[in-house]
Amino acid sequence: NAGVTQTPKFRILKIGQSMTLQCTQDMNHNYMYWYRQDPGMGLKLIYYSVGAGITDKGEVPNGYNVSRSTTEDFPLRLELAAPSQTSVYFCASSSRGGAGTEAFFGQGTRLTVV
Amino acid sequence: AQSVSQHNHHVILSEAASLELGCNYSYGGTVNLFWYVQYPGQHLQLLLKYFSGDPLVKGIKGFEAEFIKSKFSFNLRKPSVQWSDTAEYFCAVNAGNNRKLIWGLGTSLAVNP
Repeated sequence: NAGVTQTPKFRILKIGQSMTLQCTQDMNHNYMYWYRQDPGMGLKLIYYSVGAGITDKGEVPNGYNVSRSTTEDFPLRLELAAPSQTSVYFCASSSRGGAGTEAFFGQGTRLTVV
Repeated sequence: AQSVSQHNHHVILSEAASLELGCNYSYGGTVNLFWYVQYPGQHLQLLLKYFSGDPLVKGIKGFEAEFIKSKFSFNLRKPSVQWSDTAEYFCAVNAGNNRKLIWGLGTSLAVNP
């Protein structure tokens, strides 16, 4: 049972480069989320999706884009990498949003922008 | 706006000491409450959760939390910590019809052997 799988685990980007962080889940969850985690700052929601074809902005969406063409996949794209995007990124999914829903997290992607 | 406050940012304990981590939230209606744990270098895992019913919730690894509605609190406790409990602990709240979890900033726990 894979759960939520993120790739890559580590990446170093140069300023201005682009990349896509991959996230896939095999639990048939409708809801998926992208968070970034910075030291002492907790988790900040970047984007989320409530189902295939539907995405919405979270707290810190600037500099990122997402798509949700299938239930399983929720890639996060950085178009022009900036040092401020150095962070650990976590993808999560849940069976539904709202009351009492447990979120399942991927292993994280540690991104450094130099 | 809904918010979650974790009072202790860094906690250092010796093994066998008792633990209590504070979590308060701001929302007057029905809430669902969670504690997640993140061990060094790993992803977040659910420790325990409260939906309704008994306000004292038992979780994995001997952890428990008590929901006190009048105090808007959901404090995490463990009677006797172990070195392996060294981790970061996050409180999260889902309130009303919100589709998203609201997260606290986390508490870093270091347990000395």
